[in-house]
Formats: sequence, structure tokens, C-alpha cells
Amino acid sequence: DAGVIQSPRHEVTEMGQEVTLRCKPISGHNSLFWYRQTMMRGLELLIYFNNNVPIDDSGMPEDRFSAKMPNASFSTLKIQPSEPRDSAVYFCASSLGVAGKVGQYFGPGTRLTVT
Amino acid sequence: GIQVEQSPPDLILQEGANSTLRCNFSDSVNNLQWFHQNPWGQLINLFYIPSGTKQNGRLSATTVATERYSLLYISSSQTTDSGVYFCSNYGGSQGNLIFGKGTKLSVKP
Repeated sequence: DAGVIQSPRHEVTEMGQEVTLRCKPISGHNSLFWYRQTMMRGLELLIYFNNNVPIDDSGMPEDRFSAKMPNASFSTLKIQPSEPRDSAVYFCASSLGVAGKVGQYFGPGTRLTVT
Repeated sequence: GIQVEQSPPDLILQEGANSTLRCNFSDSVNNLQWFHQNPWGQLINLFYIPSGTKQNGRLSATTVATERYSLLYISSSQTTDSGVYFCSNYGGSQGNLIFGKGTKLSVKP
């Protein structure tokens, strides 16, 4: 069974460009999470969807970040315009049920570098 | 806010040794999970353990919710156990996991 799939795995872009990260959760999971990991701040939750509906976006750093989940098998995280401080590894995770009562399963991450 | 503290921050072991990693929480334990981030960056869910004890091969975990801590035991460590071990707890809003800073484990051959 395929795990959480993320694309691209690596992204290098110039400041000011739009960046779109993609995620396909595990089939049957109804919760999806976007995290960001940096050396300074560790792992931070950006936004959480349940049944395709955004439940908690309090971790989204600013208006330059937006996330969508048009259906149960696909989500995007968009940064527009990107800035060097957005450089990080972005993880997508999915779980079954609210608050991941059987655990959250992470994708391989997208390493974003903004120059 | 809710605090998750892990100890030790760094640990170096000789292959075959046993170790115990600890996670303390400032608030009640609701959704305690342990993860392993391998040297390639992949985050792997080890245990979902809000209370009690679970075992999976050489790894086991115990959570004492009343005392707000959890322990991860690694027995007969192998070089493939190297990486960073994170614990996380439910941050209060639905689905919001708060992560500790991790324990970086290096297992030497």
C-alpha cells in the first residue's frame, strides 16, 4: 500500500516566485496535515484538514501561504511570493480520524530552497 | 502553551547497547506519538501511545499519563537506529500535534 506521496522532492526557486507543493494522502485517511521543519523552529504544524475542510490554519505564517484540498486524494500548499526565509522541509502527513487517533503518517517531504 | 521536553538531546551508543529516551509534558497526555527521523529525513511513526506500554521488535514505549511522561526503549541498538527521535502530544486544537526538539541518536559500529 502506497504511503503519503509528495512532489516535488526538491525545489529550488528564486525569491518572488510562486511555489506549489503537492500531497496525496494515504487512501482512506480523512485527515491531512502540512508541517514545516527548520533547524531553528523544529517541526511546526501549518494547517490541518479533516474531510477536505480546513480545520486549523493558525500555523500558517502569513498571507503568502495558502493551502487547498479539492478532494480526498489531493492537497496543495502554495507560497506566493516566496522568500528566502521560507526555505525548509515541508512535510505532508495523513491520518484516520480526528487528531490522528491511530497515528499520523508522514510523506518524504519537499526540501524547498529559496534563493 | 503546551510544552514537550525531550531528554537527552544527544546520545551516542555502541552497537548492541540499550537506551531509554524520555519525553515530559506540561499538560495532559492525549495523543502521544513517537517518531523516528532517519538520516535521510524520513519521519516514521513508531508508536501511538497515549497510555500503557507497546512493543514492536526491539523498540517499546511506555506512557504514564498521570505523571505526564513517556519513555522509548531501544534494546540491542543497531546503526540503522541512528537519527532523531521525536515525541509529540496533542496541542489542544483538533489535530494540532506539538513536537519536542528531539533526541539525536548516533549508534556506532
